[in-house]
Amino acid sequence: GENVEQHPSTLSVQEGDSAVIKCTYSDSASNYFPWYKQELGKGPQLIIDIRSNVGEKKDQRIAVTLNKTAKHFSLHITETQPEDSAVYFCAAVLANAGNMLTFGGGTRLMVKP
Amino acid sequence: GAVVSQHPSRVICKSGTSVKIECRSLDFQATTMFWYRQFPKQSLMLMATSNEGSKATYEQGVEKDKFLINHASLTLSTLTVTSAHPEDSSFYICSAPHAGRASTDTQYFGPGTRLTVL
Repeated sequence: GENVEQHPSTLSVQEGDSAVIKCTYSDSASNYFPWYKQELGKGPQLIIDIRSNVGEKKDQRIAVTLNKTAKHFSLHITETQPEDSAVYFCAAVLANAGNMLTFGGGTRLMVKP
Repeated sequence: GAVVSQHPSRVICKSGTSVKIECRSLDFQATTMFWYRQFPKQSLMLMATSNEGSKATYEQGVEKDKFLINHASLTLSTLTVTSAHPEDSSFYICSAPHAGRASTDTQYFGPGTRLTVL
């Protein structure tokens, strides 16, 4: 099955700085990579996703990059704000696996004002 | 985006009782839904896949007789924690895939249910 590793487990940045979270996956058959933001006591919210036929995707201050050869994908948040503080999870979905997500371990991002 | 709701948002029960948690897709139909549990400061652990019209598929180590899943309709799945014990206290979250133009559906999550067993 798929295995997803996520680093770092915690990340502290100053407001306005950039934050980068990295994930690696094990199965080259994975073709969909969503990122979720989870605030305390709430369910995960999809913030951005990327499919294997694309190398980069951007949505305002958030971008995701995918390197299929290296089986890496990363989340980039620019101009961080205190409200970006949350736990972020990456995930991978194997093609033809019934939409099942394999999650990374999560990154707790703290943005200091 | 698609909306998934859960009810109740939090529940406190006595040891030995059963608790039912509902997961609904509000503006789309879902033949499959997923149930996760999450312990503090940990990632989401998939418990089972709920299938409309057929039996749920449970992950290894998850007791199907303890965590009863019923996919009653195309918009509703329920998880019943039977004979709950304090170690069942956790955050339970459901998700449902929503069909889009791409071949892989996007998963949308409910807000979660905090279960505390006394």
